[in-house]
Amino acid sequence: DQQVKQNSPSLSVQEGRISILNCDYTNSMFDYFLWYKKYPAEGPTFLISISSIKDKNEDGRFTVFLNKSAKHLSLHIVPSQPGDSAVYFCAASDPNTGANSKLTFGKGITLSVRP
Amino acid sequence: DTGVSQDPRHKITKRGQNVTFRCDPISEHNRLYWYRQTLGQGPEFLTYFQNEAQLEKSRLLSDRFSAERPKGSFSTLEIQRTEQGDSAMYLCASSLSRVDEKLFFGSGTQLSVL
Repeated sequence: DQQVKQNSPSLSVQEGRISILNCDYTNSMFDYFLWYKKYPAEGPTFLISISSIKDKNEDGRFTVFLNKSAKHLSLHIVPSQPGDSAVYFCAASDPNTGANSKLTFGKGITLSVRP
Repeated sequence: DTGVSQDPRHKITKRGQNVTFRCDPISEHNRLYWYRQTLGQGPEFLTYFQNEAQLEKSRLLSDRFSAERPKGSFSTLEIQRTEQGDSAMYLCASSLSRVDEKLFFGSGTQLSVL
């Protein structure tokens, strides 16, 4: 049972435009959400996070939006750059699992930014 | 470099052989995690340590898998009698034990079982 779902396997956008990556979750106990970025042959790198008490968090070109009622979050990248081309994973944690930083990941979205 | 270090980066083995991977976490991090990632999937939790204590194991971790963190610093993950289905990227991550603390991942060990 996939508790974190990234239903679009890939996304292609033009350099300078906005990239919107979506993520849905089913476990209402999740209270902390993160986005990780992964290049080939490297481990995931933390990008941005959001607590369930917030609905938006911004860091430079990256903004994460959380809609708790819809169990949906999205990552906005503006403006998109070719170096943003990577696999993006949505992840979530449940404080009741015993380790508040144990993460459940989605399958990832491959973002390609065209020059 | 003070990031999470994993060794080896790649391991090719024959079915039935035993393999061992090592992870050195960020020095001040007391939590250490092992994840497994297969093609087209996100990382899946295997187990985690708080200092030297192994506090949780996923049902994905069969009896052929064992992990240790003897002195609360580096960790090893051993797979006995490897099977082709064990082929995957094995990722190690570490964190502090504060609330909402993010994980820092190593580059992983890519295991291929022939």
